[in-house]
Amino acid sequence: QQPVQSPQAVILREGEDAVINCSSSKALYSVHWYRQKHGEAPVFLMILLKGGEQKGHDKISASFNEKKQQSSLYLTASQLSYSGTYFCGTENTGNQFYFGTGTSLTVIP
Amino acid sequence: DADVTQTPRNRITKTGKRIMLECSQTKGHDRMYWYRQDPGLGLRLIYYSFDVKDINKGEISDGYSVSRQAQAKFSLSLESAIPNQTALYFCATSPGQGAFNEQFFGPGTRLTVL
Repeated sequence: QQPVQSPQAVILREGEDAVINCSSSKALYSVHWYRQKHGEAPVFLMILLKGGEQKGHDKISASFNEKKQQSSLYLTASQLSYSGTYFCGTENTGNQFYFGTGTSLTVIP
Repeated sequence: DADVTQTPRNRITKTGKRIMLECSQTKGHDRMYWYRQDPGLGLRLIYYSFDVKDINKGEISDGYSVSRQAQAKFSLSLESAIPNQTALYFCATSPGQGAFNEQFFGPGTRLTVL
């Protein structure tokens, strides 16, 4: 039930781009993305609804492929502040919600 | 002031003890959630409540119980704590549109069961 995220960890230099993937075995109604910095609570980034459009948040955007039950988070021109663990959360059509195990992203100067 | 508060922030207890974690919110949200976070396992939903009279089990409710005392308060209890309940616990709230909408997390409670 828990969505699978890939990669598990990634290290980038400032200015580089990254893609984080989230895949579910269940039909999805929505996909949520959160970022958690070390020692802090998760913070909401965006939600993508079935039939909805691709969302953006500053230089962070995401897509949702309903047919494949997959979502991808795109981080463009990464900044040091982007470091943290990124979680996708999936709401399936059975009204259940699960977070993925997370992707650790480290941006270095 | 924080919109979602959790007490205590840290707690060490012994196996077999009863413990309650409390969550309060001033955001006026109807929906509240309890999660636990373990390294490598992400966040797992324990219980959630869509309003004062509605309580639902999440993915890992065994060994836990909850009480929704008011719109603003949602408590999580461990009736008889065991070491594998050692984890970081988060409370979250969300507005009432959509089953699982944007969630706002509290600062977390770090619980250690010896």
